[in-house]
Amino acid sequence: SAVISQKPSRDICQRGTSLTIQCQVDSQVTMMFWYRQQPGQSLTLIATANQGSEATYESGFVIDKFPISRPNLTFSTLTVSNMSPEDSSIYLCSVARGDYGYTFGSGTRLTVV
Amino acid sequence: GENVEQHPSTLSVQEGDSAVIKCTYSDSASNYFPWYKQELGKGPQLIIDIRSNVGEKKDQRIAVTLNKTAKHFSLHITETQPEDSAVYFCAASKGDAGKSTFGDGTTLTVKP
Repeated sequence: SAVISQKPSRDICQRGTSLTIQCQVDSQVTMMFWYRQQPGQSLTLIATANQGSEATYESGFVIDKFPISRPNLTFSTLTVSNMSPEDSSIYLCSVARGDYGYTFGSGTRLTVV
Repeated sequence: GENVEQHPSTLSVQEGDSAVIKCTYSDSASNYFPWYKQELGKGPQLIIDIRSNVGEKKDQRIAVTLNKTAKHFSLHITETQPEDSAVYFCAASKGDAGKSTFGDGTTLTVKP
C-alpha cells in the first residue's frame, strides 16, 4: 500500500495566522482526502482533492477557510486559514487503497493559542 | 446521509480475554465496512474489513462479522495482548472507499 509523509507533525500557532500542511505520497493516486480529528473524537472528512480540479468540500467546510492545492498526483496541501482555538485538531491526509479502505498519514497535531 | 454508531466508547479487558466492539449503520446501500486501529500519535491503520457479500472474515486473532439485515457489524479480538491497546474505529461506505463515515471510536485498554 501507499506510504504517506505528512508535514509538519505538530505545530503551535497564534490565532489569526495560517498553517499549510503538506502531504506526499510515494505513488500516484487519483484522489487524496483531508480529515479533521478533534481531540478525543472521530474523523470528519473536510474535502476530497483531485488533481487538476477544484477540491470538493463537505458540508460545514469552505474553501476560504481550508484552501487545498493538488498540483500533481503525489502531493497535496491543506491550509488552515485565520486560525482560532477551535481549529485545534489533528489533521490527516489519506488516500484510497483501491477498493480497500484508506491509508492515512501520521497526522498534524495543531494547537492554536 | 450515513450514520454510524459505535459501542462501547471505552473497553478494558485483562490480557488473554476477548474484546468485542459493535457498530450499527443506517444506510442499507453501504457495502464496505473497514476497521481501523489508531495508536497514540499515529494515523489510523486499516486492520480488517468486510464487504456486504460476506458474513464473517477472520485474520489471526481478529475477526469481523456483518449482519446486513440488522445493519450491524462487530470486531472481535481474541487472546488480547497489551499491544492491542489503542483506539479502534469502524466505518461504512458505499462502494467508493473514498468517502467513509466513521464511528466515534472505542478506546481499548488491555491490562497485563
